[in-house]
Amino acid sequence: EVQLVESGGGLVQPGGSLRLSCAASGFTFSDHYMDWVRQAPGKGLEWVGRSRNKANSYTTEYAASVKGRFTVSRDHSKNSLFLQMNSLKIEDTAVYYCVRVGDGYNLAYWGQGTLVTVSS
Amino acid sequence: DFQMTQSPSSLSASVGDRVTITCRASQGIGNSLAWFQQKPGKAPKSLIYAASSLQSGVPSKFSGSGSGTDFTLTISSLQPEDFATYYCQQYKTYPLTFGGGTKVEI
Repeated sequence: EVQLVESGGGLVQPGGSLRLSCAASGFTFSDHYMDWVRQAPGKGLEWVGRSRNKANSYTTEYAASVKGRFTVSRDHSKNSLFLQMNSLKIEDTAVYYCVRVGDGYNLAYWGQGTLVTVSS
Repeated sequence: DFQMTQSPSSLSASVGDRVTITCRASQGIGNSLAWFQQKPGKAPKSLIYAASSLQSGVPSKFSGSGSGTDFTLTISSLQPEDFATYYCQQYKTYPLTFGGGTKVEI
């Protein structure tokens, strides 16, 4: 069974940094693309970024709104995905979901999410 | 960016109703279209991918159709557990983009 468990959310001041983690299990981590998707309170879904699989050298893609501030990475030994968030803005306040991409490149499996609040 | 427009933004329906939600892409995306269901306080759940393929474990009352720019999600017989918000999403090109959502209410 695919399981994705996010952690690391919390309250941070504007301009601060936070690192989210996603512990993955139930599948071969290196075989799959992994994404981060966020949802601001009461709003819709916004794709944040992607880490491709080992066959594609774990290359990354980002939404324009976070490019240069956020970094997606992996720890292969721990089957974990990370989202390093720097220069945080109030508008980055959201629940952040870790997502495993399916074989058809769809967002197939979602974690339960972790809340990030950017506020002074 | 490819814009995804859902309609309606909300609808009221009764148990047993057949419900159809529409999603339009600003440019052609082939069949790179997915649908998700989200209940309050919960993570989204994948329902449909490749426009019409049912995600494993999803009941067959959900179906998707369309290609290019126009897509639909149909729920054949609405049940109490189906009252939720539904999102479409394109994965043809980066950035991946979602529709604004359709809230299905009693």
